[in-house]
Amino acid sequence: QKEVEQNSGPLSVPEGAIASLNCTYSDRVSQSFFWYRQYSGKSPELIMSIYSNGDKEDGRFTAQLNKASQYVSLLIRDSQPSDSATYLCAVNNAGGTSYGKLTFGQGTILTVHP
Amino acid sequence: NAGVTQTPKFRILKIGQSMTLQCTQDMNHNYMYWYRQDPGMGLKLIYYSVGAGITDKGEVPNGYNVSRSTTEDFPLRLELAAPSQTSVYFCASSFDRGGYTFGSGTRLTVV
Repeated sequence: QKEVEQNSGPLSVPEGAIASLNCTYSDRVSQSFFWYRQYSGKSPELIMSIYSNGDKEDGRFTAQLNKASQYVSLLIRDSQPSDSATYLCAVNNAGGTSYGKLTFGQGTILTVHP
Repeated sequence: NAGVTQTPKFRILKIGQSMTLQCTQDMNHNYMYWYRQDPGMGLKLIYYSVGAGITDKGEVPNGYNVSRSTTEDFPLRLELAAPSQTSVYFCASSFDRGGYTFGSGTRLTVV
């Protein structure tokens, strides 16, 4: 089983719709969870972080965390063509000497079509 | 504020050659990391450092070496380049266990 697994893509949604990106992780002691956006040929950019169970909203983005189910998701409301990118889920298994190391999922390609 | 600066942006190496990928950050972050990204495979950790003079292996360290003589610099050394090292390399830094700031990446091809 992969440590961090994202829903297989690519995901295609119409402009204005809600895009839902999902991620599961295997290590129960994981403490910090991040979503990165990566445009083609560019470096990943941090868009959301979440540390406790529940929802966290930032503009059109909502991150949801359920530690009991080992599940984290990202919702993008009112999707725009500029949201078309690869979205990477990352998990910090920081316990003991793990420091700040992040484990990344393989990414989900999102396309928002006009 | 430059953030994380990586050089070079592109490089073609011949099998068996060596090179150093440079990474510098100006945010006074203690934690620095090197990842490689292969198509459809996400990011794999090569080496990381929690401060000057302290480095440790990540998931895929074979064929690479690092040093951390200052807080700002974290170069990655490739010895005896192999085609399997063809990839995009990202350096990143973070403050404590927060999210990363990534450099712009180095696209390396080994032929």
